[in-house]
Amino acid sequence: DTGVSQNPRHKITKRGQNVTFRCDPISEHNRLYWYRQTLGQGPEFLTYFQNEAQLEKSRLLSDRFSAERPKGSFSTLEIQRTEQGDSAMYLCASSFRRGAQETQYFGPGTRLLVL
Amino acid sequence: AQKVTQAQTEISVVEKEDVTLDCVYETRDTTYYLFWYKQPPSGELVFLIRRNSFDEQNEISGRYSWNFQKSTSSFNFTITASQVVDSAVYFCALLNYGGSQGNLIFGKGTKLSVKP
Repeated sequence: DTGVSQNPRHKITKRGQNVTFRCDPISEHNRLYWYRQTLGQGPEFLTYFQNEAQLEKSRLLSDRFSAERPKGSFSTLEIQRTEQGDSAMYLCASSFRRGAQETQYFGPGTRLLVL
Repeated sequence: AQKVTQAQTEISVVEKEDVTLDCVYETRDTTYYLFWYKQPPSGELVFLIRRNSFDEQNEISGRYSWNFQKSTSSFNFTITASQVVDSAVYFCALLNYGGSQGNLIFGKGTKLSVKP
């Protein structure tokens, strides 16, 4: 099995621009998560999908953030009107939830720098 | 409230030393899972272990071992005979089960440097 992949790996943008990140989960994983990690901190939950349904959003996910998972496959995370505070590593994870058993496997992340 | 505390921000050891990374968690749930992940400089979080709240047996995997104690809400990780390749940031995480939720709550991580 290939692991979780994320594109791009790095993104530099100017404040006010829109950016979109893509995550391809491990095939047949029904859950997909987005996390954000800033320097010196652990990852913080943003949102997650079960198949194509977005089931939960964190308070960290402002109105400028939107995520989709069409057809329950890959997912995109878009940030509109980026701000310098959005600079972080954006991590995607996928899992297969069966009963109470679940392990999230992470991708390599997309490192965003907003100038 | 759910919380994970990793009090050690950075640890530096010399190769072949044993090292223990501490993790203390808080939760009101009786059913939960604890995890350890490794984050090397490349950035990808690598899954190491999952432990559920009903299984307090310690686990050993090669040079790695984990000590889970519900009485002290701790899930400590020991690396025996450390190697340079063990240098990374290690995260402890908590997963509660309530309704459809499944997001991990991470500690701030412990940066381990193993010097030759």
